[in-house]
Amino acid sequence: NAGVTQTPKFQVLKTGQSMTLQCAQDMNHEYMSWYRQDPGMGLRLIHYSVGAGITDQGEVPNGYNVSRSTTEDFPLRLLSAAPSQTSVYFCASSEDETGLDSPLHFGNGTRLTVT
Amino acid sequence: DQQVKQNSPSLSVQEGRISILNCDYTNSMFDYFLWYKKYPAEGPTFLISISSIKDKNEDGRFTVFLNKSAKHLSLHIVPSQPGDSAVYFCAAIQQGAQKLVFGQGTRLTINP
Repeated sequence: NAGVTQTPKFQVLKTGQSMTLQCAQDMNHEYMSWYRQDPGMGLRLIHYSVGAGITDQGEVPNGYNVSRSTTEDFPLRLLSAAPSQTSVYFCASSEDETGLDSPLHFGNGTRLTVT
Repeated sequence: DQQVKQNSPSLSVQEGRISILNCDYTNSMFDYFLWYKKYPAEGPTFLISISSIKDKNEDGRFTVFLNKSAKHLSLHIVPSQPGDSAVYFCAAIQQGAQKLVFGQGTRLTINP
Protein backbone atom coordinates (compact mmCIF):
# COMPACT_ATOMS: atom_id res chain seq x y z
CA ASN A 1 0.00 0.00 0.00
CA ALA A 2 2.58 2.57 -1.19
CA GLY A 3 0.44 5.69 -1.83
CA VAL A 4 2.71 8.60 -2.76
CA THR A 5 6.43 7.83 -2.87
CA GLN A 6 9.08 10.54 -2.93
CA THR A 7 12.77 10.05 -3.55
CA PRO A 8 15.28 10.93 -2.30
CA LYS A 9 14.45 11.62 1.36
CA PHE A 10 17.44 13.93 1.79
CA GLN A 11 19.64 15.80 -0.68
CA VAL A 12 22.46 18.33 -0.44
CA LEU A 13 23.30 20.37 -3.52
CA LYS A 14 25.82 23.06 -4.30
CA THR A 15 24.60 26.34 -5.77
CA GLY A 16 24.12 25.97 -9.51
CA GLN A 17 23.70 22.21 -9.56
CA SER A 18 20.59 20.64 -11.02
CA MET A 19 18.56 17.72 -9.81
CA THR A 20 15.19 16.03 -10.09
CA LEU A 21 12.94 15.19 -7.17
CA GLN A 22 10.93 12.08 -7.97
CA CYS A 23 7.28 11.52 -7.10
CA ALA A 24 5.19 8.47 -7.93
CA GLN A 25 1.68 7.45 -6.89
CA ASP A 26 -0.07 4.14 -7.33
CA MET A 27 -3.65 5.27 -6.71
CA ASN A 28 -4.43 6.25 -10.32
CA HIS A 29 -5.02 9.84 -9.22
CA GLU A 30 -5.37 12.45 -11.94
CA TYR A 31 -4.38 15.43 -9.80
CA MET A 32 -0.80 15.79 -8.55
CA SER A 33 1.00 18.73 -7.03
CA TRP A 34 4.26 19.89 -5.47
CA TYR A 35 4.49 22.02 -2.32
CA ARG A 36 7.40 23.42 -0.40
CA GLN A 37 7.31 23.91 3.36
CA ASP A 38 9.33 26.69 4.95
CA PRO A 39 9.30 27.93 8.56
CA GLY A 40 6.63 30.58 9.05
CA MET A 41 5.38 30.18 5.49
CA GLY A 42 3.38 26.98 5.65
CA LEU A 43 2.89 24.93 2.52
CA ARG A 44 3.17 26.82 -0.75
CA LEU A 45 2.12 25.37 -4.09
CA ILE A 46 4.90 25.18 -6.71
CA HIS A 47 3.31 23.39 -9.68
CA TYR A 48 0.35 21.13 -10.23
CA SER A 49 -1.12 18.81 -12.85
CA VAL A 50 -4.71 17.76 -13.50
CA GLY A 51 -3.72 14.87 -15.74
CA ALA A 52 -1.03 13.44 -18.00
CA GLY A 53 0.31 16.07 -20.37
CA ILE A 54 -1.21 18.98 -18.40
CA THR A 55 0.73 21.13 -15.93
CA ASP A 56 0.27 24.60 -14.49
CA GLN A 57 2.02 27.00 -12.15
CA GLY A 58 1.23 27.45 -8.52
CA GLU A 59 2.17 30.22 -6.13
CA VAL A 60 5.99 29.89 -6.26
CA PRO A 61 6.98 28.32 -9.61
CA ASN A 62 10.20 30.22 -10.38
CA GLY A 63 13.28 28.01 -10.55
CA TYR A 64 11.31 24.80 -10.94
CA ASN A 65 10.11 22.76 -13.92
CA VAL A 66 7.66 19.89 -14.06
CA SER A 67 6.32 17.44 -16.60
CA ARG A 68 3.60 14.78 -16.49
CA SER A 69 4.18 12.11 -19.09
CA THR A 70 2.29 9.42 -17.17
CA THR A 71 -0.52 9.38 -14.61
CA GLU A 72 1.78 7.85 -12.01
CA ASP A 73 4.82 10.15 -12.11
CA PHE A 74 5.27 13.87 -11.51
CA PRO A 75 8.97 14.82 -11.22
CA LEU A 76 10.11 18.26 -10.05
CA ARG A 77 13.27 19.62 -11.64
CA LEU A 78 15.57 22.26 -10.18
CA LEU A 79 17.53 23.66 -13.12
CA SER A 80 20.13 25.67 -11.18
CA ALA A 81 19.81 25.29 -7.42
CA ALA A 82 19.94 28.37 -5.19
CA PRO A 83 20.19 28.64 -1.38
CA SER A 84 16.63 30.07 -1.39
CA GLN A 85 15.44 26.66 -2.56
CA THR A 86 16.54 25.04 0.68
CA SER A 87 13.27 23.60 1.93
CA VAL A 88 11.20 20.49 2.50
CA TYR A 89 9.35 19.45 -0.63
CA PHE A 90 6.09 17.52 -0.59
CA CYS A 91 4.36 15.81 -3.47
CA ALA A 92 0.62 15.18 -3.21
CA SER A 93 -2.09 13.52 -5.26
CA SER A 94 -5.87 13.20 -5.21
CA GLU A 95 -8.79 12.11 -7.35
CA ASP A 96 -9.91 15.72 -7.71
CA GLU A 97 -8.16 19.05 -7.33
CA THR A 98 -10.34 20.33 -4.52
CA GLY A 99 -9.18 17.61 -2.16
CA LEU A 100 -12.75 17.29 -0.93
CA ASP A 101 -14.20 14.11 -2.41
CA SER A 102 -10.73 12.66 -2.21
CA PRO A 103 -8.40 14.51 0.17
CA LEU A 104 -4.83 15.18 -0.88
CA HIS A 105 -2.48 12.28 -0.14
CA PHE A 106 1.01 13.52 0.63
CA GLY A 107 4.36 11.81 0.35
CA ASN A 108 6.79 11.91 3.26
CA GLY A 109 8.82 14.73 1.78
CA THR A 110 12.32 15.44 0.47
CA ARG A 111 14.55 17.63 2.61
CA LEU A 112 16.77 19.66 0.29
CA THR A 113 19.73 21.78 1.38
CA VAL A 114 21.50 24.05 -1.09
CA THR A 115 24.89 25.35 0.01
CA ASP B 1 -0.22 38.16 0.34
CA GLN B 2 -1.15 35.42 2.79
CA GLN B 3 -4.77 34.54 2.05
CA VAL B 4 -4.96 31.97 4.87
CA LYS B 5 -3.40 32.89 8.19
CA GLN B 6 -2.73 30.96 11.35
CA ASN B 7 -1.48 33.58 13.74
CA SER B 8 -0.48 31.24 16.55
CA PRO B 9 2.74 29.37 15.70
CA SER B 10 2.35 27.13 18.73
CA LEU B 11 -0.17 26.02 21.35
CA SER B 12 0.29 23.96 24.49
CA VAL B 13 -2.68 22.16 26.11
CA GLN B 14 -3.04 19.74 28.97
CA GLU B 15 -4.17 16.22 28.18
CA GLY B 16 -7.95 15.85 28.49
CA ARG B 17 -8.65 19.55 27.96
CA ILE B 18 -9.94 21.24 24.84
CA SER B 19 -7.55 22.39 22.10
CA ILE B 20 -8.72 25.27 19.91
CA LEU B 21 -6.76 26.10 16.78
CA ASN B 22 -7.66 29.23 14.85
CA CYS B 23 -7.46 30.25 11.23
CA ASP B 24 -8.36 33.48 9.41
CA TYR B 25 -8.78 34.04 5.70
CA THR B 26 -9.06 37.07 3.47
CA ASN B 27 -10.57 35.67 0.26
CA SER B 28 -14.37 35.70 0.53
CA MET B 29 -14.56 33.49 -2.58
CA PHE B 30 -13.24 30.41 -0.77
CA ASP B 31 -15.85 27.65 -0.87
CA TYR B 32 -14.27 24.92 1.22
CA PHE B 33 -11.97 24.77 4.19
CA LEU B 34 -9.87 21.84 5.35
CA TRP B 35 -7.58 20.93 8.22
CA TYR B 36 -4.50 18.76 7.80
CA LYS B 37 -2.34 17.27 10.52
CA LYS B 38 1.40 16.67 10.20
CA TYR B 39 3.76 14.59 12.30
CA PRO B 40 7.56 15.06 12.07
CA ALA B 41 9.22 13.41 9.07
CA GLU B 42 5.82 12.59 7.54
CA GLY B 43 3.57 14.27 5.01
CA PRO B 44 0.38 16.05 6.09
CA THR B 45 -2.77 13.94 6.41
CA PHE B 46 -6.35 15.09 5.97
CA LEU B 47 -8.30 15.60 9.18
CA ILE B 48 -11.64 17.31 8.57
CA SER B 49 -13.31 19.75 6.17
CA ILE B 50 -16.25 22.12 5.99
CA SER B 51 -18.21 23.70 3.18
CA SER B 52 -18.88 27.44 3.23
CA ILE B 53 -22.62 26.73 3.36
CA LYS B 54 -22.24 25.16 6.79
CA ASP B 55 -21.11 26.60 10.10
CA LYS B 56 -20.11 23.39 11.84
CA ASN B 57 -18.82 19.93 11.02
CA GLU B 58 -18.07 17.24 13.56
CA ASP B 59 -16.08 14.03 13.33
CA GLY B 60 -15.50 12.25 16.61
CA ARG B 61 -13.29 14.38 18.83
CA PHE B 62 -12.76 16.96 16.08
CA THR B 63 -15.15 19.80 15.27
CA VAL B 64 -14.58 22.62 12.82
CA PHE B 65 -16.52 25.87 13.14
CA LEU B 66 -16.85 28.42 10.35
CA ASN B 67 -17.78 32.08 10.86
CA LYS B 68 -18.11 33.51 7.36
CA SER B 69 -18.87 37.05 8.44
CA ALA B 70 -15.63 37.15 10.42
CA LYS B 71 -13.72 35.08 7.83
CA HIS B 72 -12.62 32.84 10.66
CA LEU B 73 -12.59 29.12 11.30
CA SER B 74 -11.48 27.07 14.25
CA LEU B 75 -10.70 23.44 14.98
CA HIS B 76 -11.74 22.07 18.37
CA ILE B 77 -10.24 18.85 19.73
CA VAL B 78 -12.01 17.39 22.75
CA PRO B 79 -10.61 15.72 24.74
CA SER B 80 -7.01 16.34 23.71
CA GLN B 81 -4.73 13.30 23.69
CA PRO B 82 -0.91 13.00 23.52
CA GLY B 83 -1.20 11.59 19.99
CA ASP B 84 -2.75 14.90 18.90
CA SER B 85 0.65 16.59 19.28
CA ALA B 86 1.46 17.64 15.72
CA VAL B 87 1.47 20.61 13.37
CA TYR B 88 -2.00 21.54 12.12
CA PHE B 89 -2.49 23.30 8.80
CA CYS B 90 -5.63 25.15 7.80
CA ALA B 91 -6.34 25.19 4.05
CA ALA B 92 -8.92 26.73 1.75
CA ILE B 93 -10.00 26.46 -1.86
CA GLN B 94 -12.24 28.28 -4.28
CA GLN B 95 -14.22 25.83 -6.39
CA GLY B 96 -12.74 25.59 -9.86
CA ALA B 97 -9.47 27.21 -8.82
CA GLN B 98 -7.53 23.91 -8.66
CA LYS B 99 -5.29 25.34 -5.96
CA LEU B 100 -5.47 24.54 -2.28
CA VAL B 101 -4.07 27.44 -0.20
CA PHE B 102 -2.48 26.58 3.14
CA GLY B 103 -1.85 28.59 6.28
CA GLN B 104 1.48 28.71 8.12
CA GLY B 105 0.61 25.93 10.55
CA THR B 106 0.22 25.74 14.34
CA ARG B 107 2.32 23.33 16.41
CA LEU B 108 0.08 21.73 19.05
CA THR B 109 1.69 20.11 22.08
CA ILE B 110 -0.43 18.04 24.45
CA ASN B 111 1.12 17.80 27.89
CA PRO B 112 0.43 14.74 30.09
